[in-house]
Amino acid sequence: QVQLVQSGAEVKKPGASVRVSCKASGYTFTSYYMHWVRQAPGQGLEWTGVINPSAGTTSYAQKFQGRVTMTRDTSTSTVYMELTSLRSEDTAVYYCARDQEVSLPTEAFDIWGQGTMVTVSS
Amino acid sequence: QSVLTQPPSVSAAPGQKVTISCSGSSSNIGDNYVSWYQHLPGTAPKLLIYDTYKRPSGIPDRFSGSKSGTSATLGITGLQTGDEADYYCGTWDSSLSANVFGTGTKVTVL
Repeated sequence: QVQLVQSGAEVKKPGASVRVSCKASGYTFTSYYMHWVRQAPGQGLEWTGVINPSAGTTSYAQKFQGRVTMTRDTSTSTVYMELTSLRSEDTAVYYCARDQEVSLPTEAFDIWGQGTMVTVSS
Repeated sequence: QSVLTQPPSVSAAPGQKVTISCSGSSSNIGDNYVSWYQHLPGTAPKLLIYDTYKRPSGIPDRFSGSKSGTSATLGITGLQTGDEADYYCGTWDSSLSANVFGTGTKVTVL
C-alpha cells in the first residue's frame, strides 16, 4: 500500500541541525511532489516547503529560506529535510506529505508520514 | 500568524450538522483551490476535501466543501463522535508563493 515512513524522534541543542527522512513506498516516487509540514505544540499546521522528487527542485516558505534544505534519493525513494540553526521555536512534529496531483504541486496532500518529533532544548 | 482565519471551535449534537468557515483574501482563497484536513491528536492529518469541493476516495459524502469569494466552508452532516477532531483549511497564497493553512477549528460532538 501507499505509505510514507519517517525517521524517529530527535532531540537537538539550540544552534544544531537536524535531518528528517521520509521513505516512500507503494507508488512511483518521482511522479508526486513531496511537501513538509510542521506543527508546534498547541499550534496549527505550517507549510515549510516542497520538493519535486523527479528533478530535485525545491521551493521553500520564506520563513525558512536559508535554514531549510530538502533533498531526495531516487534510488531509495527517500526525501530528506534538513533544518539548521535550530531554536526552541523549531520544536514541533514534522510531517512529510505527498501531493495528491500527479506531476504538479498543489494545495492538497493526500498521503502523510507518521510524523517526527523534533525537540530543541538546551 | 496564519493568513486564513477559522473559528476556534464549533459544536453540535450527534446527527446534526456543523459548518466551518475559512476566511482569506484575493491572493489565496479568492484565486486558488481549497483543501480541508481532519487532524486527530497523535495521528497524521487526513485529506477530506481537495480542489475546493472534491472528496478523495473513501471520504463519505457527509463531508462537503464550498467557496464564495474569499471564504471557504466545510460542512459535516450526520455528526458522529468519531468526527471530534481539529479541522484545517489550506490553499496556495499567490502573494506569499507558499501553501498556507487556516488557524484550525476544534469540532466537539455534544
